[in-house]
Amino acid sequence: DTAVSQTPKYLVTQMGNDKSIKCEQNLGHDTMYWYKQDSKKFLKIMFSYNNKELIINETVPNRFSPKSPDKAHLNLHINSLELGDSAVYFCASSQGGGPDTQYFGPGTRLTVL
Amino acid sequence: QQQVKQSPQSLIVQKGGISIINCAYENTAFDYFPWYQQFPGKGPALLIAIRPDVSEKKEGRFTISFNKSAKQFSLHIMDSQPGDSATYFCAAKGITGTASKLTFGTGTRLQVTL
Repeated sequence: DTAVSQTPKYLVTQMGNDKSIKCEQNLGHDTMYWYKQDSKKFLKIMFSYNNKELIINETVPNRFSPKSPDKAHLNLHINSLELGDSAVYFCASSQGGGPDTQYFGPGTRLTVL
Repeated sequence: QQQVKQSPQSLIVQKGGISIINCAYENTAFDYFPWYQQFPGKGPALLIAIRPDVSEKKEGRFTISFNKSAKQFSLHIMDSQPGDSATYFCAAKGITGTASKLTFGTGTRLQVTL
């Protein structure tokens, strides 16, 4: 069973479109995250939710809107896609607290043309 | 502001050699230092982690060395194997404030040659 799953794995779209990425975890964790990995492999946190409540919101354009319908799901909606949004987006989850091991999904490679 | 600095950016090691990746941090509120391993096309996965109350942690061929006074920590991979070829990220996290989120280094692409 996949612990953290994301769909779709690949997403190719035109500039200006709106798209969503879905994430689900079956680990029973309380906290979920979205990370962006750019072409240089740099990993940057975008958002974090704990029990459906937003707890981390980094400096991300407001075209990006996370939504957590329940603590097992965290979706990412992106409006008016731009070329610079092309990246790999990773969902992750953790139990929270001190050591806080994060479990990452397989990633969604977004290409904006 | 890069709170966790990682070097080198890339590393080529022969099979059987020792791979060493170094990280330095600035925020003294960090108290958890994991290393993540990422294979191409996959998400990062926890490899090994250390808390600052010990100076070294070993798991199989992987060892973390930690120097609290210098605010540095490193990953040593002994007897490196081609299957170890991946990108390695150090990270750091604390409990409160700006340290409460997991902050990653910039990554090191390791290639182990035959």
